[in-house]
Amino acid sequence: EIVMTQSPATLSVSPGERATLSCRASQSVISYLAWYQQKPGQAPRLLIYGASTRATGIPARFSGSGSGTEFTLTISSLQSEDFAVYYCQQYYSWPPYTFGQGTKLEIK
Amino acid sequence: EMQLLVSGGGLVQPGGSLRLSCAASGFTFSTYDMSWVRQAPGKGLEWVSVIGAGDDSTYYADSVKGRFTISRDTSTNTLYLQMNSLRAEDTAVYYCAKEEGSFGYYYFDYWGQGTLVTVSS
Repeated sequence: EIVMTQSPATLSVSPGERATLSCRASQSVISYLAWYQQKPGQAPRLLIYGASTRATGIPARFSGSGSGTEFTLTISSLQSEDFAVYYCQQYYSWPPYTFGQGTKLEIK
Repeated sequence: EMQLLVSGGGLVQPGGSLRLSCAASGFTFSTYDMSWVRQAPGKGLEWVSVIGAGDDSTYYADSVKGRFTISRDTSTNTLYLQMNSLRAEDTAVYYCAKEEGSFGYYYFDYWGQGTLVTVSS
């Protein structure tokens, strides 16, 4: 089973600033890495797949990068609606599909 | 518009059973793999099970193997999760999710709203 580790657990950033979230896989997942956003009481929403491809309707301020075992989600110029929990997920080797434990992005 | 409507959650005693449903619309249900993913209160996401399109192949997380059964009815566009021998640690919000991708590499592009399952005496 591939273990996904996200850092930091909590990230405090001011609106308008840039946020950088990290995700590490215990072994290479090539580029089969997705990012999801989850707001309280809501289902997760797909942001990024293939490590760097934005899903339909996702604003350009969200970008993903990385390959192999190290991945980054960058949110440039944070908007109020971006404060949420973010999860990475590998879909290279399954079952099981595995998620990181999440990074909570909070307002500084 | 794509929709996944999840139902069937509730309070059940340890050792009991429950069946969750996920009614799909707005896409060709029979041609997509579908998964169940759960989230314990205040915790992260845990994949539970997947059913394949076409051959209806099924896979399970070790934590539910032998107790949960995933199935689908393409005549009613409904995904199911039969949960037996429920334990307190199965308490979670259960989401159904549509898979997207190709060549065996699939991510979750659309999620239902979730239903809460509480296992407690």
